[in-house]
Amino acid sequence: DAGITQSPRHKVTETGTPVTLRCHQTENHRYMYWYRQDPGHGLRLIHYSYGVKDTDKGEVSDGYSVSRSKTEDFLLTLESATSSQTSVYFCAIGGGGITDTQYFGPGTRLTVL
Amino acid sequence: AQSVAQPEDQVNVAEGNPLTVKCTYSVSGNPYLFWYVQYPNRGLQFLLKYITGDNLVKGSYGFEAEFNKSQTSFHLKKPSALVSDSALYFCAVRDSNTGGFKTIFGAGTRLFVKA
Repeated sequence: DAGITQSPRHKVTETGTPVTLRCHQTENHRYMYWYRQDPGHGLRLIHYSYGVKDTDKGEVSDGYSVSRSKTEDFLLTLESATSSQTSVYFCAIGGGGITDTQYFGPGTRLTVL
Repeated sequence: AQSVAQPEDQVNVAEGNPLTVKCTYSVSGNPYLFWYVQYPNRGLQFLLKYITGDNLVKGSYGFEAEFNKSQTSFHLKKPSALVSDSALYFCAVRDSNTGGFKTIFGAGTRLFVKA
């Protein structure tokens, strides 16, 4: 999986609790992305980063925040988890140029009860 | 706005037969098209991409895709399916008018190859 790890791989939490997902890369890519995967929707972009401390919103950013203090780490935080945020979350790297390929991590399955 | 459609939720094919997974797209500028495959409990893996040039693109694991501008399609094909090709396939598009950050993925097509 192209030197990308995600932690945790599985998490069950309760509504209203904060949750942080971590993406770690060893490829020194400048660009990193967080997606969520839901049946019937494919992958949808939550947030992306184009450098340390440089982040921007994607198409489904409400309820999520991100931080990137080091090139290799990109954190996704759900400040107060809701059941609608139950999903599989994927981190990706690369793809900063329009022709560039993205490489995906193994995913985190999050269940919000 | 850019969009991509995978009209089939599922495709069933017998091992050894040719397979096609369909994808159509809509962009306002020039399209850049990608196919990814997802095996169970894994992330997406890149198969191939169309940037410009030859309309027939060859990729990993014997897959190829044909870009058809007039039909706005980018169908994934393989001459002889293997049971191990069974997976979830995603088509994705970028639009030259919106830049590299915005990749739109289709909903996915599940391919079943029966022995």
